[in-house]
Amino acid sequence: NAGVTQTPKFQVLKTGQSMTLQCAQDMNHEYMSWYRQDPGMGLRLIHYSVGAGITDQGEVPNGYNVSRSTTEDFPLRLLSAAPSQTSVYFCASSSQMNTGERDYGYTFGSGTRLTVV
Amino acid sequence: ELKVEQNPLFLSMQEGKNYTIYCNYSTTSDRLYWYRQDPGKSLESLFVLLSNGAVKQEGRLMASLDTKARLSTLHITAAVHDLSATYFCAVEYNNNDMRFGAGTRLTVKP
Repeated sequence: NAGVTQTPKFQVLKTGQSMTLQCAQDMNHEYMSWYRQDPGMGLRLIHYSVGAGITDQGEVPNGYNVSRSTTEDFPLRLLSAAPSQTSVYFCASSSQMNTGERDYGYTFGSGTRLTVV
Repeated sequence: ELKVEQNPLFLSMQEGKNYTIYCNYSTTSDRLYWYRQDPGKSLESLFVLLSNGAVKQEGRLMASLDTKARLSTLHITAAVHDLSATYFCAVEYNNNDMRFGAGTRLTVKP
């Protein structure tokens, strides 16, 4: 049981390049989400998904796309990287999203540190 | 707009002392979380608080929730060096959207 797996762990991009951050979970969680963490600002929600085929925008969605074709995977795409997207990105998942009790909180991946130059 | 404010943002404690971290939020929420993050690491879930008056304890940490005051506290009892980390509160509303506080960087000194 690997939990939430993110790849790559580190990435350097040039401005204008595109890339996909991968996120996979093996816990059969319905809910998955992407956050970015910047110094002094906590984590901010980018996009989330409540199940395969369903995605929605979070607090800071601009410049990012997502899709959810399977329960396990939730990739985050940067279409044209900008220096403002330099950040640490975390993927998270949880279960029983719409049925009340979620006593264990969210499970976070180990993060991807992205630098855009 | 939901805002989550933590204070203090930085906290330096002596071992053996007690202290409290505060988390205020601006809008009615579904649940409140406390997470721990060690430098360069991911987030670890500490507590999930679901209802007014909820209190949870794990070791030297105790979290409480007052939904009427829109306030949660994380109390540290007899701090030890291993508790040094950044602690985040996060408030969930609309069952999907989770907003984080800026975090409290705790350093426990011998």
